[in-house]
Amino acid sequence: DTGVSQDPRHKITKRGQNVTFRCDPISEHNRLYWYRQTLGQGPEFLTYFQNEAQLEKSRLLSDRFSAERPKGSFSTLEIQRTEQGDSAMYLCASSDSGQGALDGYTFGSGTRLTVV
Amino acid sequence: AQSVAQPEDQVNVAEGNPLTVKCTYSVSGNPYLFWYVQYPNRGLQFLLKYITGDNLVKGSYGFEAEFNKSQTSFHLKKPSALVSDSALYFCAVRDGGGGFKTIFGAGTRLFVKA
Repeated sequence: DTGVSQDPRHKITKRGQNVTFRCDPISEHNRLYWYRQTLGQGPEFLTYFQNEAQLEKSRLLSDRFSAERPKGSFSTLEIQRTEQGDSAMYLCASSDSGQGALDGYTFGSGTRLTVV
Repeated sequence: AQSVAQPEDQVNVAEGNPLTVKCTYSVSGNPYLFWYVQYPNRGLQFLLKYITGDNLVKGSYGFEAEFNKSQTSFHLKKPSALVSDSALYFCAVRDGGGGFKTIFGAGTRLFVKA
């Protein structure tokens, strides 16, 4: 297992277009998280899945944002009608449950979104 | 709601000197505390955690952190800094009372001069 993979690494899109990002977590991990990081800031929590269930969603996530994890493995984050303020690094992380629930997260390298 | 404060945007230290990166937190339940490091063009990496037990916890690359409940602090320390320690450091907290999400501080940039 090579860790958490995110695709694409970079995405440039025009304002108003829809974009979708993919995250493949570590295969044994049943918890998956999405964060957003802007320059000079720490990661901001967006949403969290345990298996295929989305258990928590930040108020930061407007109706234009949706995330899925249909089979409890990979996850997608879609942004509809992108705005310039959506430009950021989108980070995915995964973690174990059970005894591993208190471990730190394993983060992917992120998808950098630029909305022009 | 939980929150994390890192009062220093930047910390400068000479190689070989001890370093401290400060962090304070607020959480309603028992705190689960973490430090992560971010090197340029690389993802966040977990350094160490405090869940319970000994207030001094040791982590990767010679780093350690001290949990102080009365001061609600969790400062990151290293006895002797290396130039290669230069990076962005994030403190994070999770509410041990049952929350799933981890909240991160804004980060502190560490510069170690040779």
